Amino acid sequence: SQKIEQNSEALNIQEGKTATLTCNYTNYSPAYLQWYRQDPGRGPVFLLLIRENEKEKRKERLKVTFDTTLKQSLFHITASQPADSATYLCALDMNTGFQKLVFGTGTRLLVSP
Amino acid sequence: DTEVTQTPKHLVMGMTNKKSLKCEQHMGHRAMYWYKQKAKKPPELMFVYSYEKLSINESVPSRFSPECPNSSLLNLHLHALQPEDSALYLCASSQALGENEQFFGPGTRLTVL
Repeated sequence: SQKIEQNSEALNIQEGKTATLTCNYTNYSPAYLQWYRQDPGRGPVFLLLIRENEKEKRKERLKVTFDTTLKQSLFHITASQPADSATYLCALDMNTGFQKLVFGTGTRLLVSP
Repeated sequence: DTEVTQTPKHLVMGMTNKKSLKCEQHMGHRAMYWYKQKAKKPPELMFVYSYEKLSINESVPSRFSPECPNSSLLNLHLHALQPEDSALYLCASSQALGENEQFFGPGTRLTVL
């Protein structure tokens, strides 16, 4: 079955540095991949979607890459701020066309001032 | 209105009770979803509705019964639940199935005694 792993359960970095989160998957080749942010006690919030034919996508301080050969996506937050502290989830559609999203294990990011 | 609302925010029920969770969106989205999220775990898909028809049931026990009375409303009827069903239940919607971001509600925190 599909396994989606995110590099570490928690990542601590200092304000102003770049945070890099990893999402690795096996046994499947998704047509696209999404990243979400989740704050404690709240629902996930969509951040970015990247398609298999796109190597990189940017939105303000966020950048996502998608390497279908390595079966990996990297999520970068540049000039990180304490307000970026949250859990970040990658998600793959297991049944393209039916939005059967499977979420990764999540990485809890803590940005210290 | 870019919001998905869920009621109630919290629910405590006994194993013999019958209760319902409600989800509403007024964004004109035609796909709606139920997820279950246990503490420190990612959301897990339960059901997908498209144009008010059930598209995906992820082998969810029959004590959970979804209903989509119209394109804006999604209910989850609960009956004879077990303590292990205690979790955060998240509703989401998207414009349609396929490559679309999902908008999540804040969730209902369910405790089964």
